[in-house]
Amino acid sequence: EVQLVETGGGLVQPGGSLRLSCAASGFTFSDHYMDWVRQAPGKGLEWLGRIRKKANSYTTEYAASVKGRFTISRDDSKNSLYLQMNSLNTEDTAVYYCARFYFASGSYQALDIWGQGTRVTVSS
Amino acid sequence: DIQLTQSPSFLSASVGDRVTITCRASQGISTYLVWYQQKPGKAPNLLIYAASTLQSGVPSRFSGSGSGTEFTLTISSLQPEDFATYYCQQLNSYPLTFGGGTKVEIK
Repeated sequence: EVQLVETGGGLVQPGGSLRLSCAASGFTFSDHYMDWVRQAPGKGLEWLGRIRKKANSYTTEYAASVKGRFTISRDDSKNSLYLQMNSLNTEDTAVYYCARFYFASGSYQALDIWGQGTRVTVSS
Repeated sequence: DIQLTQSPSFLSASVGDRVTITCRASQGISTYLVWYQQKPGKAPNLLIYAASTLQSGVPSRFSGSGSGTEFTLTISSLQPEDFATYYCQQLNSYPLTFGGGTKVEIK
């Protein structure tokens, strides 16, 4: 079964750090770009960033709201994706999802597999 | 950044109704447009990509159309399991962005 499972969420104080993990199974993780998306309570979806695969030098893209504070990385030997979050503030309170990027050609692309999400609460 | 504006933001409909949701992009994005369905407490689920291609396993009552700046998601006959929030997303350029969502509720 193709699956993504996020872990690492919890309560953190403003200014603190947290590292989220996303464990992939059921597919060749190293073949795919991977994304992080979050959803604040009662709000819509916000794309956070992407990490490409080895063939693309593991390069990354970020949303302006997290650039310089969040870092996406991966360990293909462990089929794992990570989100290091620093300088957290209350606006970072959200459910964080990892998602697999599917690409066939041209516009035939999407986030086709999503994890169940992990909740991060930033509060004193 | 490309802004996506969904309308309506809220929709009340009955089982069997035909429902149309619109997503407008602030600049042309060809067909780099995806639709997701999200139910409360669950992760989003891919419905349509490339503006009009139905994801495997998605019922044929869902369809998408459009290119450039205007896109639509249509549910031909609303079923009880379709009551959810729907989001569009553009993958034309970074940063990738989502529309604000359309919540479909039971009338």
